[in-house]
Amino acid sequence: DVKVTQSSRYLVKRTGEKVFLECVQDMDHENMFWYRQDPGLGLRLIYFSYDVKMKEKGDIPEGYSVSREKKERFSLILESASTNQTSMYLCASSFGRATEAFFGQGTRLTVV
Amino acid sequence: GENVEQHPSTLSVQEGDSAVIKCTYSDSASNYFPWYKQELGKRPQLIIDIRSNVGEKKDQRIAVTLNKTAKHFSLHITETQPEDSAVYFCAASTTGYSTLTFGKGTMLLVSP
Repeated sequence: DVKVTQSSRYLVKRTGEKVFLECVQDMDHENMFWYRQDPGLGLRLIYFSYDVKMKEKGDIPEGYSVSREKKERFSLILESASTNQTSMYLCASSFGRATEAFFGQGTRLTVV
Repeated sequence: GENVEQHPSTLSVQEGDSAVIKCTYSDSASNYFPWYKQELGKRPQLIIDIRSNVGEKKDQRIAVTLNKTAKHFSLHITETQPEDSAVYFCAASTTGYSTLTFGKGTMLLVSP
């Protein structure tokens, strides 16, 4: 089975903090994604990466950055957390183009 | 970019009834259409997908239909059961891209 693992299930951070969300996949997938899930808004793409050190902006990249130094690991960084970044964050990975994405269990981030 | 609209946002049915969820997409180049099921507190998981060279695909009680001309696709669940209760997301992707664009989701509630 493909495993996509996110480092934390729940996080509480203070406004202005720098926040790191980590994601690891074990299937040698070339593509990795960070989505944000909010009620009534579905899954919105923040950033994705199709190779090591490569990154592309998604639909809502403002306030976020990413890092992919190794193929299996994709990090989402909130440079200065704000309350409007309180959300569920989902990492995913896939192999090739137009193929199934496998999701992590999600990180529920609360910024206070 | 691609835009995916999903309806209805909520759907309540009695156990044993059928349920239909509809999605439309905007990019005529899209050719991969997966459906994900997300149970409460869990990660989204693929339940069925279809590619543009196929008009219909079935897997036991679940079927997906695709109308390329009208740019819409639908999920059909027959003989619904309480364990079908979940949020369902449709998505679309093009061969040239690794990313999936998701609809906003449909909360399906199956009452015993």
